[in-house]
Amino acid sequence: DAKTTQPPSMDCAEGRAANLPCNHSTISGNEYVYWYRQIHSQGPQYIIHGLKNNETNEMASLIITEDRKSSTLILPHATLRDTAVYYCIVRVDRSYNTDKLIFGTGTRLQVFP
Amino acid sequence: DTAVSQTPKYLVTQMGNDKSIKCEQNLGHDTMYWYKQDSKKFLKIMFSYNNKELIINETVPNRFSPKSPDKAHLNLHINSLELGDSAVYFCASRLTGPRGPDTQYFGPGTRLTVL
Repeated sequence: DAKTTQPPSMDCAEGRAANLPCNHSTISGNEYVYWYRQIHSQGPQYIIHGLKNNETNEMASLIITEDRKSSTLILPHATLRDTAVYYCIVRVDRSYNTDKLIFGTGTRLQVFP
Repeated sequence: DTAVSQTPKYLVTQMGNDKSIKCEQNLGHDTMYWYKQDSKKFLKIMFSYNNKELIINETVPNRFSPKSPDKAHLNLHINSLELGDSAVYFCASRLTGPRGPDTQYFGPGTRLTVL
């Protein structure tokens, strides 16, 4: 299973872009990169995922390097409500029903006023 | 409407007791999961069920017995509770197959405290 490495913590000023890096140097060709976040005491929340192209949705953008060994989650205008632990996950199994998420330690993002 | 709900939200009990946590999803998903988040915040999968069939069992002690009466429900029964069972338990669900989104939706969690 491909593993991910993230910095344990980051700070970001409110209104600025938050760029959260993730290394996944052993990722396989058919494995996707997923990002979830967990706001204090709540269940994890899906943010975005991608295979090799950059992706954008209403929450964030995901930039994946050409060699797919690393990626960056971008929150374009961070707010105080974005303070959370962000998990970068490489999806383990693409088969029909044995999919599972393996969470690492994540990055604790603190957005300050 | 709550997509994935869990009851109870908090559960405090004595060591040795038997307790159950319930999970329901109204998303029409066919796969449900139980995850455990310990005091160090590590979040780890325990079980998954697809169409009421056990698919994943991550070497969890057999004191933990999941039960899925139908696709919308996955309950977790724990026998002979131990101090180390204290954690937050999260239920999640997903729609598998080509029509399904590639995401898992999580419930709000059940904080279990064993005294």
